[in-house]
Amino acid sequence: DTAVSQTPKYLVTQMGNDKSIKCEQNLGHDTMYWYKQDSKKFLKIMFSYNNKELIINETVPNRFSPKSPDKAHLNLHINSLELGDSAVYFCASSQDGEKLFFGSGTQLSVL
Amino acid sequence: DQQVKQNSPSLSVQEGRISILNCDYTNSMFDYFLWYKKYPAEGPTFLISISSIKDKNEDGRFTVFLNKSAKHLSLHIVPSQPGDSAVYFCAALMEYNTDKLIFGTGTRLQVFP
Repeated sequence: DTAVSQTPKYLVTQMGNDKSIKCEQNLGHDTMYWYKQDSKKFLKIMFSYNNKELIINETVPNRFSPKSPDKAHLNLHINSLELGDSAVYFCASSQDGEKLFFGSGTQLSVL
Repeated sequence: DQQVKQNSPSLSVQEGRISILNCDYTNSMFDYFLWYKKYPAEGPTFLISISSIKDKNEDGRFTVFLNKSAKHLSLHIVPSQPGDSAVYFCAALMEYNTDKLIFGTGTRLQVFP
């Protein structure tokens, strides 16, 4: 029974397209996150939501728009994809902000 | 500006020996530190943590040491097992910003028989 699940696992698309990544957690946590791991393996926070409310919005281009329909879901929509968006995107959830439970990642490749 | 640094990208250790993974940080406002472990094609999983009021925390084979004056922490795994082979990320938090974990770039540990 997966705690944090994200789909799709792999996403290959052309520049300029719009794509979404979905995330769901069944842990009952109040806070959900999106992290990005780039080619240099830096794992950086992009957004955090607490009970559907945006808490953290790092310096991410506004082509990235998170949406949280309820506290168990946090989706990431990306408009006008660029080559530099290629990365692994991890969804996570937490109750205390310290111990994060991560999904298995979505590898996005923009061609 | 990288506030959490893991200067060793990889480490190879024989099974049964001690593995020591190191982490340095630059921001003195960090007051909580964590280690995460990551297997290929999986997300990181929480391993062990330490508060800045302590200098050591132990959990089974895993011990984390914190040297605040040196802004340095280390993870000791003893004895190392082949199943410990993974990428280990150090992470740090500031009390006033508990939603923002800052990660290092990871150290790949390989434990060989």
